[in-house]
Amino acid sequence: KNEVEQSPQNLTAQEGEFITINCSYSVGISALHWLQQHPGGGIVSLFMLSSGKKKHGRLIATINIQEKHSSLHITASHPRDSAVYICAVRRGSQGNLIFGKGTKLSVKP
Amino acid sequence: DADVTQTPRNRITKTGKRIMLECSQTKGHDRMYWYRQDPGLGLQLIYYSFDVKDINKGEISDGYSVSRQAQAKFSLSLESAIPNQTALYFCATSSDSTAGYTFGSGTRLTVV
Repeated sequence: KNEVEQSPQNLTAQEGEFITINCSYSVGISALHWLQQHPGGGIVSLFMLSSGKKKHGRLIATINIQEKHSSLHITASHPRDSAVYICAVRRGSQGNLIFGKGTKLSVKP
Repeated sequence: DADVTQTPRNRITKTGKRIMLECSQTKGHDRMYWYRQDPGLGLQLIYYSFDVKDINKGEISDGYSVSRQAQAKFSLSLESAIPNQTALYFCATSSDSTAGYTFGSGTRLTVV
């Protein structure tokens, strides 16, 4: 079983819809990262969080440490949000990142 | 200029050839990483370095070597390329264990 599981693997939405991507992990962590990989391949860091909730524009990331679960929400989705969203966890205080396989999001106009 | 620059962006090479992928950064970060991404798989760590004199193997280091020439430069070498090393390779940096990561744009390597 993978230590970091994302769902769904693929997601198609209509422009304007509210989107949720989920990440569950099975190891103790010190932080969780959400990344965005554009169709051209480049990876951008969206959030790093260890508790609670963070918001940046239309993106919201939450984490529940007790349940070992995080969600990434996109409000008022737009075709430019189409990308692969990757969850990664840092195991322990000095550990390296362990990555999920990603969720491919396609937002149709 | 990008904070983390990878060269080349794309490379096609033949089986058995030695190839070097280069990464340079202007972030001033001590920590640098090389990852490999295959379709349908999460990124996998090849090698990482926490400072110029520190080199560590990651999950999938076999067939690869690295050199940390300076704080800003971290190169990945494939000594004798094989087709199953065809993948997208990313370099990344971070300042410390509590910081976020900055990724390069990736190098798409094809071994024929």
